[in-house]
Parts: sequence; structure tokens; C-alpha cells
Amino acid sequence: ETGVTQSPTHLIKTRGQQVTLRCSSQSGHNTVSWYQQALGQGPQFIFQYYREEENGRGNFPPRFSGLQFPNYSSELNVNALELDDSALYLCASSSKTGNSYEQYFGPGTRLTVT
Amino acid sequence: GIQVEQSPPDLILQEGANSTLRCNFSDSVNNLQWFHQNPWGQLINLFYIPSGTKQNGRLSATTVATERYSLLYISSSQTTDSGVYFCAGGYSGNTPLVFGKGTRLSVIA
Repeated sequence: ETGVTQSPTHLIKTRGQQVTLRCSSQSGHNTVSWYQQALGQGPQFIFQYYREEENGRGNFPPRFSGLQFPNYSSELNVNALELDDSALYLCASSSKTGNSYEQYFGPGTRLTVT
Repeated sequence: GIQVEQSPPDLILQEGANSTLRCNFSDSVNNLQWFHQNPWGQLINLFYIPSGTKQNGRLSATTVATERYSLLYISSSQTTDSGVYFCAGGYSGNTPLVFGKGTRLSVIA
């Protein structure tokens, strides 16, 4: 186990709805990164939060937004859901340890949009 | 941005066989990880290896940073090794990881 938790495990939503996914980082980690993994593909970077500020964003539209809280847990919000948003959403936590920024992933939230 | 190419895309092995998975990067990376994704989607950390060689049991990895590639060796494979293996790299420090498309490994008893 990595110590990174995500909720919920599975979610089914209807096109046009909004969804919030949650991630608790590993103890001592101040950075959370979110990734989207479509079926048969590698994870793709959505955005990263470092000490409650967005610290980089991938090629995703503004309807993907996020937050990081003072305890370094994080939320991913997706508005106006589209069918193509169906995917496994992974969060990863990390922090500098020596020269390493190794990322540790949670179990993921599987989102289905119908 | 960084492009990551993994080979082979699929691999079928008899239990007990050895294998080598390769990862090529289009640019120099200072942050490189190998993962095993189990059937439930969990990404399991195998190695953090921006350079050099590491070993962990039946698994070992080597990264040649100057030539922008990394290799993952699996020896005496077991059925529990089945799944998808990903490599991922980032330019430096806390930059996001760019993943390859993975190698799907099936180990047959």
C-alpha cells in the first residue's frame, strides 16, 4: 500500500453532470498530481498542486479544476461531463526526499459517463 | 514535450522465462519511474531510477541517461507478474510524469 487513498472507488454519472473526486496524500507529502487513464492507454497528466497552489497543468479544458487543502488532500472537479471523460482517475502524491521526487499513486476512481 | 516509447507492446511468456522491457525517451529526463499496474488499476512502484542500475528480487532496472533509455528485467517470471508495465519520466524534480503506452505482459503456467 502506498498510503494514498481515493474516493469514491467507482462512479456513474450522466452526460452534463458534475463530479468531485477526492484524494488523500501520503503522510508528509506536499504535492498532489492528478492523471486520467483512458482504457488501453497510459495515464495522462491533468494538473498538479503544490502547497495549495496549482503548479502545472496538462492539456485539459478549464472544466477540469482542482483544489488542494491545508492538510495536502486534494479534489478534482469536472463540470459538464462528456462521454469521453469516462476513465480511471489517478492521483499521486510526492515530496522531495533527498534528490528523489518519487510519485506514489492511489487506487484510482473509475468514472463512467452515460 | 517528452515522448515515451515502450517496447514490446505485448509479451507472452511461459512461467520461469526471463524478459526485458525497454523504454525510450525523446528528451533527457531527470525523473524516471517504472510501475506495474495490476488488474484493478493500482499502479505499483517498481523503481525510481533516473540513472544507474537497481535490483529488487527478481526485478532489476538499468537507465542509461546519456542515451535516453531504460530497461526493466524480469527473471524467472511468475503468473503474478502478469499485468501492464509502464515507464514514466519527467524533466526534473516535481515536474509531471509522462507515461508510455505500456507493455502488457501475460505469464502462462
